[in-house]
Amino acid sequence: AQKITQTQPGMFVQEKEAVTLDCTYDTSDQSYGLFWYKQPSSGEMIFLIYQGSYDEQNATEGRYSLNFQKARKSANLVISASQLGDSAMYFCAMREGYLRNTPLVFGKGTRLSVIA
Amino acid sequence: GAVVSQHPSRVICKSGTSVKIECRSLDFQATTMFWYRQFPKKSLMLMATSNEGSKATYEQGVEKDKFLINHASLTLSTLTVTSAHPEDSSFYICSVLRRNEQFFGPGTRLTVL
Repeated sequence: AQKITQTQPGMFVQEKEAVTLDCTYDTSDQSYGLFWYKQPSSGEMIFLIYQGSYDEQNATEGRYSLNFQKARKSANLVISASQLGDSAMYFCAMREGYLRNTPLVFGKGTRLSVIA
Repeated sequence: GAVVSQHPSRVICKSGTSVKIECRSLDFQATTMFWYRQFPKKSLMLMATSNEGSKATYEQGVEKDKFLINHASLTLSTLTVTSAHPEDSSFYICSVLRRNEQFFGPGTRLTVL
């Protein structure tokens, strides 16, 4: 079974508008971490935001916020005030378990295109 | 500044040759590094976990004799694609753990002719 599911292969958003990128996850662990990365055409993976399974507050980092709904096992990324430079692939990822040296498992990604 | 470097960033080679990709952690020691592979417009797939001073742990379906991983020091892990073939053409990305964050190298684009 897929650990991370991103159901939106592609999304379009108007500049300055907000957009939500969906992510659901599957784990039986109580301790886990959820991540979002941005990958522009250059290929580099840019860390955006992190949410721990025990964090009660939704994570926020500037224009990025994570809508964490633990019961639904969803961790949607919200980008506010979209900019042209936000056009990229976005990957949701999860690290399972208490040990911090387990690798990230990625979803298939969502390609976001910001329109002027 | 960059936390992880990878070299080379791009390589083109003939079928049958071997290619070595280096991954270095900058300014800190990394006992664990990960190697991922990404096909065009696809997700990152974990290939193996590289542990300093011990054998790498490979994911199911990844040929250990094909993709040789050496983690000889706390700042360097290498991935060697042996006897490369066109189907090995891909984007290879290494990653290191520092505290709670996983940092990625800039990637190496391998093209096998």
